[in-house]
Amino acid sequence: AQTVTQSQPEMSVQEAETVTLSCTYDTSESDYYLFWYKQPPSRQMILVIRQEAYKQQNATENRFSVNFQKAAKSFSLKISDSQLGDAAMYFCAYRSDMEYGNKLVFGAGTILRVKS
Amino acid sequence: EAGVVQSPRYKIIEKKQPVAFWCNPISGHNTLYWYRQNLGQGPELLIRYENEEAVDDSQLPKDRFSAERLKGVDSTLKIQPAELGDSAVYLCASSLVSYTGELFFGEGSRLTVL
Repeated sequence: AQTVTQSQPEMSVQEAETVTLSCTYDTSESDYYLFWYKQPPSRQMILVIRQEAYKQQNATENRFSVNFQKAAKSFSLKISDSQLGDAAMYFCAYRSDMEYGNKLVFGAGTILRVKS
Repeated sequence: EAGVVQSPRYKIIEKKQPVAFWCNPISGHNTLYWYRQNLGQGPELLIRYENEEAVDDSQLPKDRFSAERLKGVDSTLKIQPAELGDSAVYLCASSLVSYTGELFFGEGSRLTVL
């Protein structure tokens, strides 16, 4: 079974600075998808960014980018120019390409605090 | 477009009592999920529906949990009887049947069992 590990329970960043959240995963598959989801205090989770394992190019979405290291099974999220609205719990998630449907396996999450 | 709607937002019950949670997914989304999120943890899948069929319920504690999705739209998750360890946030999500991986989540139902 696939597992996702987020080793940083909590991170802090100064407004306008850059922060990187770490994620590692364990799988024997070669094709899969990785995601970062954001869960603000209201608890509604939203997708931040997605990466297909077959793509070598790292995904970017405005101030959010990933560093995908397939061999190392590492998938970190970089948030540039941090804003107060970025404060939330961030979850890394894995989806197998072998399985029909969108079953996601989540990590334990990292709380991100943004200081003004 | 309306998002995933869940109710109730909060529920406090005594142990051994029954409880039910309701979810209305985004219109047109074939796939519906129930996740359980314990405090400080990531969500864990309880059950996944494709239309009205439960295609993955391997993590659902079937001795006390049940779920249904009549007509492939709304869904209800029931716990009977509730135990102290069931205190958690129950998240409903929906998605189109696709490989994009984007799930749309509701705000969740926070259950406290006393």
